[in-house]
Amino acid sequence: GDSVTQMEGPVTLSEEAFLTINCTYTATGYPSLFWYVQYPGEGLQLLLKATKADDKGSNKGFEATYRKETTSFHLEKGSVQVSDSAVYFCALSDRGSTLGRLYFGRGTQLTVWP
Amino acid sequence: EAGVVQSPRYKIIEKKQPVAFWCNPISGHNTLYWYLQNLGQGPELLIRYENEEAVDDSQLPKDRFSAERLKGVDSTLKIQPAELGDSAVYLCASSPTGSRNTEAFFGQGTRLTVV
Repeated sequence: GDSVTQMEGPVTLSEEAFLTINCTYTATGYPSLFWYVQYPGEGLQLLLKATKADDKGSNKGFEATYRKETTSFHLEKGSVQVSDSAVYFCALSDRGSTLGRLYFGRGTQLTVWP
Repeated sequence: EAGVVQSPRYKIIEKKQPVAFWCNPISGHNTLYWYLQNLGQGPELLIRYENEEAVDDSQLPKDRFSAERLKGVDSTLKIQPAELGDSAVYLCASSPTGSRNTEAFFGQGTRLTVV
């Protein structure tokens, strides 16, 4: 069945460091891929998404590219800030004409120190 | 625009007691989801509605869990009786219907503690 495997955390970085959080997926067909972020005390928010192979999603300096050949959707940011401290979830949606079930990874806790 | 509203934010109950969670989705969103998030895990789908119809409830433990979405707007998720293992965060989300090029919008969740 469909699933997402996400890099385990926690990840601790200094401000302005480069961030990579790995995400690979297993899916039948061609799913849409997402990164959600959960800041302390808040609900899940969509960070970025990609709906087909080779698409690049980007937002707030974060990027991820849909790689069908490696079934990956790694999250990157060139220079993290303290405000980026949160839990990051990779997810995919099953194929269909509308947004269906989301399959989430386990989440990666990111802490950025000043 | 108001987001997805859930209540209560926190609930503590004794095992074997019933509990209910309420969700008001974003206006105009016909698709509504209930997800379960255990500590240290990603959310897992319990049930998905398209308007009033439950189109995906395969992961809902139907012996103790039930859900309804009357009039295709608000939804209630119930557990009766609750067990210790039900302690988790229950998330509601909604999305527009008609396109897969969209996203699910999540509420802040209800944190349930069963003692």
